[in-house]
Amino acid sequence: EDQVTQSPEALRLQEGESSSLNCSYTVSGLRGLFWYRQDPGKGPEFLFTLYSAGEEKEKERLKATLTKKESFLHITAPKPEDSATYLCAVQVGSGSARQLTFGSGTQLTVLP
Amino acid sequence: NAGVTQTPKFQVLKTGQSMTLQCAQDMNHNSMYWYRQDPGMGLRLIYYSASEGTTDKGEVPNGYNVSRLNKREFSLRLESAAPSQTSVYFCASSEKGAQHFGDGTRLSIL
Repeated sequence: EDQVTQSPEALRLQEGESSSLNCSYTVSGLRGLFWYRQDPGKGPEFLFTLYSAGEEKEKERLKATLTKKESFLHITAPKPEDSATYLCAVQVGSGSARQLTFGSGTQLTVLP
Repeated sequence: NAGVTQTPKFQVLKTGQSMTLQCAQDMNHNSMYWYRQDPGMGLRLIYYSASEGTTDKGEVPNGYNVSRLNKREFSLRLESAAPSQTSVYFCASSEKGAQHFGDGTRLSIL
């Protein structure tokens, strides 16, 4: 059974205090790993897709990396507006519809 | 630039009532999905539609039905609502890349 585990469940940082969020996965043949950001009362917003171990993607203060067993979302010098829940998901199935299995998320709070 | 639009945004039902959640996308995507999100459990796939005219069960389909009305619209129906179906429901669509989500329907079953 495909499993996705995110840690920590919650993280509080001071503005400017860099840290990393973890997403570990157990799947039979990874086809893609996705990172999303979710603000309260909103739907998930797509951030990154990673397809193979060693791949990295960056966007502003965020950098996502991928190994064979886990992915990290590194947040450099965060600002209060980076506060959100960050979700990771793995793609299962190879058909035309890409089924995703989601982790339960990391709730990030950045204090000014 | 609407993306994925879900209606209604909020709904309260009594046990046993029925209702349909609506979803429409304007990105010309072939695939559409319905998820539910519960505290501590992440998003779970209810049903999906790989293309117009096809639907398949996801992880938690019991108590739900879906209709892919056309390429743009994918509806989710609760025939006889139960308190266990209290949740936030998200619709998403995709082509070859990532899934794009609407802002959800918050549903309470009393």
